[in-house]
Amino acid sequence: DIQMTQSPSSLSASVGDRVTITCRASQDIANFLAWFQQKPGEAPKSLIYAASYLQSGVPSKFSGSGFATNFTLTISGLQPEDFGTYYCQQYNSYAITFGQGTRLDIK
Amino acid sequence: QVQLVQSGAEVKKPGASVKVSCKASGYTFTGYYIHWMRQAPGQGLEWIGRLNPKTGGTDYAPRSQGRVTMTRDASINTAYMELSSLRSDDTAVYYCARLDMTSGWHWGPGTLVTVSS
Repeated sequence: DIQMTQSPSSLSASVGDRVTITCRASQDIANFLAWFQQKPGEAPKSLIYAASYLQSGVPSKFSGSGFATNFTLTISGLQPEDFGTYYCQQYNSYAITFGQGTRLDIK
Repeated sequence: QVQLVQSGAEVKKPGASVKVSCKASGYTFTGYYIHWMRQAPGQGLEWIGRLNPKTGGTDYAPRSQGRVTMTRDASINTAYMELSSLRSDDTAVYYCARLDMTSGWHWGPGTLVTVSS
């Protein structure tokens, strides 16, 4: 299986900040990488697919980049509603795998 | 628009089976794989497997192999995930999801399955 490693595992930031979460794949996955946001008690919400494409309806404050094994999710102009846990996911192989998650708290 | 509607919460005893449904609308059901994921309480996301609604073909995660069966009824645009020989560590929220390579992922709302004696 392809292993996905996210960092940091948690972070705390202030309203208005810009934050970056990284995700590393154990092997080349091209751009078959998605990012999700999840809040307690809710289903994951899709943010980014194909590493850098914004899912319909997702605000442009979210952006993704990367290729092969190194990827980043950047959130600009942090707002209180952006708290939650963020997951990366590779779908290059049929055996889909997720990162362990990054918990984002708002100070 | 794309919608995935899942069946309601279930409570099962260890050793029993559970079958969760996922009814699709807003797109051609047979055109896209249906994936199943799960999330145990306080834990991360785990991929269970995928179903090709057109052919009925399946691919399962090694950890799920032998206990999971994915099927569909294309006449009612519904996919099913059945898990047998339930254990307490199968307690989780089970999600169905669809991937469109040109527009990304769409998820169902999830179905809580509780395994308890």
